[in-house]
Amino acid sequence: QVQLVQSGAEVTKPGASVKVSCKASGYTFTGFYIHWVRQAPGQGLEWMGRINPHIGDTKYAQKFQGRVIMTRDTSISTVYMELSRLRFDDTAVYYCARPIGDYDLHYWGQGTLVTVSS
Amino acid sequence: QSALTQPASVSGSPGQSITISCTGTSNDIGGYKSVSWYQQHPGKAPKLMIFDVSDRPSGVSDRFSASKSGNTASLTISGLQAGDEADYYCNSHTNNGTHVFGTGTKVTVL
Repeated sequence: QVQLVQSGAEVTKPGASVKVSCKASGYTFTGFYIHWVRQAPGQGLEWMGRINPHIGDTKYAQKFQGRVIMTRDTSISTVYMELSRLRFDDTAVYYCARPIGDYDLHYWGQGTLVTVSS
Repeated sequence: QSALTQPASVSGSPGQSITISCTGTSNDIGGYKSVSWYQQHPGKAPKLMIFDVSDRPSGVSDRFSASKSGNTASLTISGLQAGDEADYYCNSHTNNGTHVFGTGTKVTVL
């Protein structure tokens, strides 16, 4: 069965960077995009971007351009989301997700809480 | 890219039907057959309920249905049940290759 398993919670300081991983299993890793979505405490869902694991091309939301980098390691079926120059309002649960079609987000990771605190 | 607009809250009694709207523009909802809907219970990851405007993934109850007209998409929950109480979000692909979520709607079962 399709599974996306994310790395554990992180506590980090303003101005630092954080890198969250998402390990995929149960399907052909290079066959589907992986998207990243975040949710700040008590707030709604926010789409951050996506990566094509086959060729590595990425598309980011304008809000995160210049601060986010999504990469993948096909040898271990894992994608990474690195967010730099962290601010307090980057505190959120970060999810990876995979579609079943072209535009949906069907399979979700368990979420990774990133806390930015001084 | 601005968030799609949803009502903050919708409520209904058990057994009733409710509809949640999601309004965007011709650059997102109006331009693509790519609207999806998500249910999220507190502390849980979102769950895909509808994709490609009106298709249901395997395992999702047929009490959930959806449609689109112009720049507005709608999700209808019929035969409302206590377990349907959750937050609901729409999502659409956009003309610059990104995605955008709606502002979210809290559904309350009275």
